[in-house]
Amino acid sequence: KNEVEQSPQNLTAQEGEFITINCSYSVGISALHWLQQHPGGGIVSLFMLSSGKKKHGRLIATINIQEKHSSLHITASHPRDSAVYICASQGGSEKLVFGKGTKLTVNP
Amino acid sequence: DTEVTQTPKHLVMGMTNKKSLKCEQHMGHRAMYWYKQKAKKPPELMFVYSYEKLSINESVPSRFSPECPNSSLLNLHLHALQPEDSALYLCASSQEETGVREQYFGPGTRLTVL
Repeated sequence: KNEVEQSPQNLTAQEGEFITINCSYSVGISALHWLQQHPGGGIVSLFMLSSGKKKHGRLIATINIQEKHSSLHITASHPRDSAVYICASQGGSEKLVFGKGTKLTVNP
Repeated sequence: DTEVTQTPKHLVMGMTNKKSLKCEQHMGHRAMYWYKQKAKKPPELMFVYSYEKLSINESVPSRFSPECPNSSLLNLHLHALQPEDSALYLCASSQEETGVREQYFGPGTRLTVL
């Protein structure tokens, strides 16, 4: 059974700081998803990764298949980045296995 | 158009009411999903429709009844719910059910059962 662990559970940063959120999974997967959820809101898909690295604006996601580990980095963090960040693994089926999320608060 | 829309945004209902949640997408996606999310928890998959047919039911109680009238629409009919069913209900869609596909989520319906 695939389990997804995220760390840290909560993260507080000052505006401008570089942020890293980590995600580990226990079995081989086909893809790793990073999702963002603002308070009371829907979910936005940030990245879907099978290997290597992806970048979108100030967000960078990396995955190490051998280590079964992925990281989400935010450069020059801003208060509007405050949200819950969720990683989810996907095996051969359509089902996503979700981590418990990392609540990020960026203070001005 | 990369949007999944859900209505209503908020719903309050009594345990004897019947109500429906609606989800719509116009991206030509052939797989649509219902998730339930309790506060401070990750989403839990409820149902998956693939090409308008129910392909996954995650042992959801029969008081939740999904319906996919066409490839763009997904409904969730609610009847005789319990207070513990209060949650955020999220709809999502993806290009196809099989294989690795990005899921696009809607904004959710916040349901309160009194």
